[in-house]
Amino acid sequence: DSGVTQTPKHLITATGQRVTLRCSPRSGDLSVYWYQQSLDQGLQFLIQYYNGEERAKGNILERFSAQQFPDLHSELNLSSLELGDSALYFCASSPWDSYGYTFGSGTRLTVV
Amino acid sequence: AQKITQTQPGMFVQEKEAVTLDCTYDTSDPSYGLFWYKQPSSGEMIFLIYQGSYDQQNATEGRYSLNFQKARKSANLVISASQLGDSAMYFCAMREVSNFGNEKLTFGTGTRLTIIP
Repeated sequence: DSGVTQTPKHLITATGQRVTLRCSPRSGDLSVYWYQQSLDQGLQFLIQYYNGEERAKGNILERFSAQQFPDLHSELNLSSLELGDSALYFCASSPWDSYGYTFGSGTRLTVV
Repeated sequence: AQKITQTQPGMFVQEKEAVTLDCTYDTSDPSYGLFWYKQPSSGEMIFLIYQGSYDQQNATEGRYSLNFQKARKSANLVISASQLGDSAMYFCAMREVSNFGNEKLTFGTGTRLTIIP
């Protein structure tokens, strides 16, 4: 167990639907990052939160949004899902100003 | 913009041999960090090794070492005495940090390593 918990592990949903992916960071880590891994795009950075505030944005679609709550867990919301959104979504966490990233085991999203 | 290049899509190596996975990077930032991650078929991302741009010595972690050549902008991973369990996808990544605390990892396309018994 890496200390970063992602739920659910697998998710199958239909096009046009909305889903929420959840991430609990490692104890004490203030930064949370979301990454998408797909066959055609590879591993891409989506967004970073630090202690509840959005810090950096990558190639995140407008249909996607995220937030980090006061207890530091984070949620990634994906709406109006398309077949191309099928991917493995990773959450990672790190302490402040540290390279000690820890990845969760990922949520595998399949859009049918 | 930062860029990571891994030119070996796949490699086959005999068990117990050493293997070098190539990674080159491009950045204009003087301060950066380089990572290697292993992704087995189960999908999780496993941290292997880290090298900071100001580190004087090459990083080592058990059977893993990072051959860091700053002038050439390369950060190759060397796995000594390969084992069957080393069969996996390997990703090189670079850490970018801004003055405002924004940070992200940029990943290469990966190398699929297969160890042959």
